Amino acid sequence: KAGVTQTPRYLIKTRGQQVTLSCSPISGHRSVSWYQQTPGQGLQFLFEYFSETQRNKGNFPGRFSGRQFSNSRSEMNVSTLELGDSALYLCASSRGQGTSYEQYFGPGTRLTVT
Amino acid sequence: GNSVTQMEGPVTLSEEAFLTINCTYTATGYPSLFWYVQYPGEGLQLLLKATKADDKGSNKGFEATYRKETTSFHLEKGSVQVSDSAVYFCASPLDSWGKLQFGAGTQVVVTP
Repeated sequence: KAGVTQTPRYLIKTRGQQVTLSCSPISGHRSVSWYQQTPGQGLQFLFEYFSETQRNKGNFPGRFSGRQFSNSRSEMNVSTLELGDSALYLCASSRGQGTSYEQYFGPGTRLTVT
Repeated sequence: GNSVTQMEGPVTLSEEAFLTINCTYTATGYPSLFWYVQYPGEGLQLLLKATKADDKGSNKGFEATYRKETTSFHLEKGSVQVSDSAVYFCASPLDSWGKLQFGAGTQVVVTP
């Protein structure tokens, strides 16, 4: 079974631009979560989608948004990019919601903002 | 809310040495606990998990026991290899939806 895939793997953007990252979950998984990883802040939860609805949101500004499609694929969007948005963005999928479901991570998208 | 604290790295070891990475948690009740590993340039891989007190998770020679008395979930491996060089994260759900709280990560460097 294919794992979680994320595209693109690397991105370089300029301050003020916007970016869209894509995540395809493991087949049969209905929950997709997004995390931001930086050297300073570590791994921080962005948001989680289940059945096309955002069920959970982390403490990030409104510039960060996402959505989930009917096939469970998810996208996240960051508008008006800032230098501090440079990070590894990780997507994770799980079969369902709740603490008993394991989350499986993709390889991440490395975003660099210049 | 729930939180996890893990020992800081880097931890440098010789091949075949014994590895321990400490992780302690604070939580209401007994949440699931996880260890994830991140190899250079890659995402996170689930290494092992425990869903209740006294559970022992194991995988690839790594073990961790969920100890409620000491609120700990220390990761151990009896004989490390160079290929075990990676960053290891302890994690626990922050809420009932499963949102994960990660420790700061511990870098492990194994030298030949």
